[in-house]
Amino acid sequence: AQSVTQLGSHVSVSEGALVLLRCNYSSSVPPYLFWYVQYPNQGLQLLLKYTSAATLVKGINGFEAEFKKSETSFHLTKPSAHMSDAAEYFCASPRGSEKLVFGKGTKLTVNP
Amino acid sequence: EAQVTQNPRYLITVTGKKLTVTCSQNMNHEYMSWYRQDPGLGLRQIYYSMNVEVTDKGDVPEGYKVSRKEKRNFPLILESPSPNQTSLYFCATSQGYATETQYFGPGTRLLVL
Repeated sequence: AQSVTQLGSHVSVSEGALVLLRCNYSSSVPPYLFWYVQYPNQGLQLLLKYTSAATLVKGINGFEAEFKKSETSFHLTKPSAHMSDAAEYFCASPRGSEKLVFGKGTKLTVNP
Repeated sequence: EAQVTQNPRYLITVTGKKLTVTCSQNMNHEYMSWYRQDPGLGLRQIYYSMNVEVTDKGDVPEGYKVSRKEKRNFPLILESPSPNQTSLYFCATSQGYATETQYFGPGTRLLVL
């Protein structure tokens, strides 16, 4: 069954540094993959989505993710972290077309 | 404005006292679902609905009920809450099932004493 694994429950970076949040999926067929962001005391919102149209997906707020089939990965990156990026990030993928499975989340801290 | 609303936003209750958390959307979405978020466990799907009168279990349905009598509403019912149901609950909707972008409500924080 489809599952997603996020490596690192907490990631801390300095402002201006590269952000790298890791997500690996388990699927024998090309999956749909999502990254969602949750700002403090808010619901989740979509950051970006992979649907097999392109392996490099650009999202909001300067984030992007690259689908790598050989590594079964969909890591999220941003070249230069901003204080406003501090949030919790979730990778997700559907199991079939009806259920959605989330990773356990990675909390990003941005230090001044 | 496209919205997913949840009520109440915060709730403190006692073990065994039935409660309902409402979810309403104004986007005419077919797919609605409920999640609970717990520290270190991420979001886990409780129930989902693919359309009116069509509901099914997610990964953690025990102790919960849902109904979908109208397209816009998808209430979550805890008939006999227990302390292990203390959690942050989110409702989400999408136009077309789990493969589409989910739109989340603001969350309901529940404490069961």
